[in-house]
Amino acid sequence: EAGVTQSPTHLIKTRGQQATLRCSPISGHTSVYWYQQALGLGLQFLLWYDEGEERNRGNFPPRFSGRQFPNYSSELNVNALELEDSALYLCASRQMNTEAFFGQGTRLTVV
Amino acid sequence: AQSVTQLGSHVSVSEGALVLLRCNYSSSVPPYLFWYVQYPNQGLQLLLKYTSAATLVKGINGFEAEFKKSETSFHLTKPSAHMSDAAEYFCAVTPSGYSTLTFGKGTMLLVSP
Repeated sequence: EAGVTQSPTHLIKTRGQQATLRCSPISGHTSVYWYQQALGLGLQFLLWYDEGEERNRGNFPPRFSGRQFPNYSSELNVNALELEDSALYLCASRQMNTEAFFGQGTRLTVV
Repeated sequence: AQSVTQLGSHVSVSEGALVLLRCNYSSSVPPYLFWYVQYPNQGLQLLLKYTSAATLVKGINGFEAEFKKSETSFHLTKPSAHMSDAAEYFCAVTPSGYSTLTFGKGTMLLVSP
């Protein structure tokens, strides 16, 4: 069974540009979570999607947005990139009453 | 709202020594608790989980954790550390089976020969 897959693995952008990160959940999982892991800041919750809708949002500015598609895959968009957006972005998928399964992450570097 | 506190950003042990990583949580309702491990530049891998069954939970790689409601703790232990255990460990809590997972800030485990 394929795990959670994220693409790209690495992404380098210039300050002010937009970044798009993608996540494919485990087959049958309807929930997708996004986390930001910046150096020294631990795992910060960004967004939770389930059945195509945003269920919860962390304490991040509106330039962090996303969506979930009918096949439950998800996209995270970060607009107007800032240097401090450089981080490992982790996606996780989950079914109700189970643990979350994580992808390998996308390393975003803003220069 | 729920939260997790992991005491000690770094823990150092010798190979063969006991590993103890501390986690305390707060939750307004009975929680589900998890321990994850992260190796450099990788995602998180589940070590073990507590979902209101047995309070002593056994996980992979010889790790186990005990849920203590009175102490609001879920400490992770392993009797004998191995070099391959060197990684960052995260404790997480969710108030039900279907909600946001809140993580602690992580504890880096260093294992010396």
